[in-house]
Amino acid sequence: DAGVIQSPRHEVTEMGQEVTLRCKPISGHDYLFWYRQTMMRGLELLIYFNNNVPIDDSGMPEDRFSAKMPNASFSTLKIQPSEPRDSAVYFCASSPTTDTQYFGPGTRLTVL
Amino acid sequence: GIQVEQSPPDLILQEGANSTLRCNFSDSVNNLQWFHQNPWGQLINLFYIPSGTKQNGRLSATTVATERYSLLYISSSQTTDSGVYFCAVGSWGKFQFGAGTQVVVTP
Repeated sequence: DAGVIQSPRHEVTEMGQEVTLRCKPISGHDYLFWYRQTMMRGLELLIYFNNNVPIDDSGMPEDRFSAKMPNASFSTLKIQPSEPRDSAVYFCASSPTTDTQYFGPGTRLTVL
Repeated sequence: GIQVEQSPPDLILQEGANSTLRCNFSDSVNNLQWFHQNPWGQLINLFYIPSGTKQNGRLSATTVATERYSLLYISSSQTTDSGVYFCAVGSWGKFQFGAGTQVVVTP
C-alpha cells in the first residue's frame, strides 16, 4: 500500500485566500484524523472521522476551518479565509482500528 | 484536559548508548502511543501501549497505567534514531500529545 497520501506537500498563499488540503487514507481504514503541528502549540488534533462521519471537531480552531470526507478514500481540510497564524504543518492520519495511527507526510502551509 | 509531560526535553547520545524517555500523564487513559518524528518530519507509530510492556527490535516500552507514566527505552542507539519522540495519551479520538523529546545520536 502507498500509505496515507497528502497533497499538496507545500502550499504558499496570501492572507485572505482559500486553502484546501487533501488526504487519501490507506484503503480499508475506517478512521481518519487531521492534525496541525506548530512550534508554539506542538501537535494538535483538529478533527476525526469514523466511516466518513465527523465524530469530534472540538479541536477545529474556528469557523474558518472546515473538513469533509465525501467518501472512504478522500478528505479535505479547508481554510477560508486564511491568516498568517494558520501557517503550520498539517498532517492527515488513518487507522484501521482504535489503536495505531498511520500518518501522511504532511502539508507545510505558509500564509503570507 | 489531560496534561502530558515528557522528559528530558533534549537528549544527546553517542552511538551505541542506551537511553530512557519518560511520559507522565495526569489522568487515567485507555490509549497511549509512542511516535518517532524523523528529521524529515515523518511521524511513525512505534507502540500502542496503554499498559504493559512491548518490544520491537532495539526499542521497548512500558506503561504503568496505575501510576500514570510510560517509558520508552532505546538500546544500542544508532544515528537513525535521531528525531523527536512523542507520546500521545487519552481516549480514542481525544489524544493529547506531549511536547516531545528531541534526541540526537552522534556517530
